[in-house]
Amino acid sequence: DVKVTQSSRYLVKRTGEKVFLECVQDMDHENMFWYRQDPGLGLRLIYFSYDVKMKEKGDIPEGYSVSREKKERFSLILESASTNQTSMYLCASSLGGWHLEQYFGPGTRLTVT
Amino acid sequence: DQQVKQNSPSLSVQEGRISILNCDYTNSMFDYFLWYKKYPAEGPTFLISISSIKDKNEDGRFTVFLNKSAKHLSLHIVPSQPGDSAVYFCAAPRGGSQGNLIFGKGTKLSVKP
Repeated sequence: DVKVTQSSRYLVKRTGEKVFLECVQDMDHENMFWYRQDPGLGLRLIYFSYDVKMKEKGDIPEGYSVSREKKERFSLILESASTNQTSMYLCASSLGGWHLEQYFGPGTRLTVT
Repeated sequence: DQQVKQNSPSLSVQEGRISILNCDYTNSMFDYFLWYKKYPAEGPTFLISISSIKDKNEDGRFTVFLNKSAKHLSLHIVPSQPGDSAVYFCAAPRGGSQGNLIFGKGTKLSVKP
């Protein structure tokens, strides 16, 4: 079974803080993704990575950066957290190639006050 | 520009009856579609998929129908159970990207006992 884990289930941070969200997958997947989910807006892609040290912007990259130093780990960084980044953050991974199915972690509910 | 649309934010169904969740798409180049289910405070889980070479795919109580001429797909759940209450997302691959999916905004299904 594929397992995607995220470092925290719930996180409360203050405006202006630097925030790190960690994601680890254990199935040697090539691709990793970060989404945020907001009511009425569905899943929106922030960044994705298709290889170590490779990253590409998704639909809403502003205010975020990512790091993928090892194949199994993909980090999302909020350089200076703002209240409009309060959201549910979801990490996913997929095998790559023609294998489109993405496996999601449990999510991190981030509140920025 | 929403390429994958779920126009019904919510659906309420009686236990034992059929649930029909709808999804429309605009890009005729889409050749594969996926459905995910998401419970509150959990990550989405893959439910069922369909390739454009088929017009139907069945897995137990879940059946997905694809109407390519109408650019429409639907997920049927028969019979519906209270445990099916969740948010359902349809998704399609973005062209030219590494396993990148576009998600609809989701439909919240409530199955009442």
